[in-house]
Amino acid sequence: GDSVTQMEGPVTLSEEAFLTINCTYTATGYPSLFWYVQYPGEGLQLLLKATKADDKGSNKGFEATYRKETTSFHLEKGSVQVSDSAVYFCALSKASGANSKLTFGKGITLSVRP
Amino acid sequence: GAVVSQHPSWVICKSGTSVKIECRSLDFQATTMFWYRQFPKQSLMLMATSNEGSKATYEQGVEKDKFLINHASLTLSTLTVTSAHPEDSSFYICSATTGADTQYFGPGTRLTVL
Repeated sequence: GDSVTQMEGPVTLSEEAFLTINCTYTATGYPSLFWYVQYPGEGLQLLLKATKADDKGSNKGFEATYRKETTSFHLEKGSVQVSDSAVYFCALSKASGANSKLTFGKGITLSVRP
Repeated sequence: GAVVSQHPSWVICKSGTSVKIECRSLDFQATTMFWYRQFPKQSLMLMATSNEGSKATYEQGVEKDKFLINHASLTLSTLTVTSAHPEDSSFYICSATTGADTQYFGPGTRLTVL
């Protein structure tokens, strides 16, 4: 079946450091790929997405490129802030509407220290 | 846009009682709503998918008689945990979609069963 694998965490960085969070997937066909962020005590928020190969999703300084050849969707940010401290989930979806079930990775906790 | 609310945000109940959680799409009509359960420091587990006016589709291993889902309108879905027990304590999250591939998540409901 479909699956999403995220790098093991947690990750602790200093403010303004470069961030990479790895995500790889296993799926048949052409899934859409997502990064969701969960701030402490809150629900998930869509951070960015990409729907086809070589698409780059970007938002709030974060970027991720849909790499079909390596089945990856790594999340990057050039300079993290303390406010970026949260749990980050990589996910995929194979269809839309009623069939748009999301398959999530385990999530990784990012802590950014001043 | 695309705001999803949940009510209540947290609830404490006695073992054996039933608890209802509401999920509302505030500024869009949701053709499909999803219910997830999240255990501490773990990923989201899809419980069921509901479409307005039809019976929910439950994931394998989820007791449909225990977790009753009603999708009464295009903006409201409810999850009722019947005869709750301490092992049902968890963070319950709903999401909604317009029919495209993006799900919008509610802030979650923390259920504690004593």
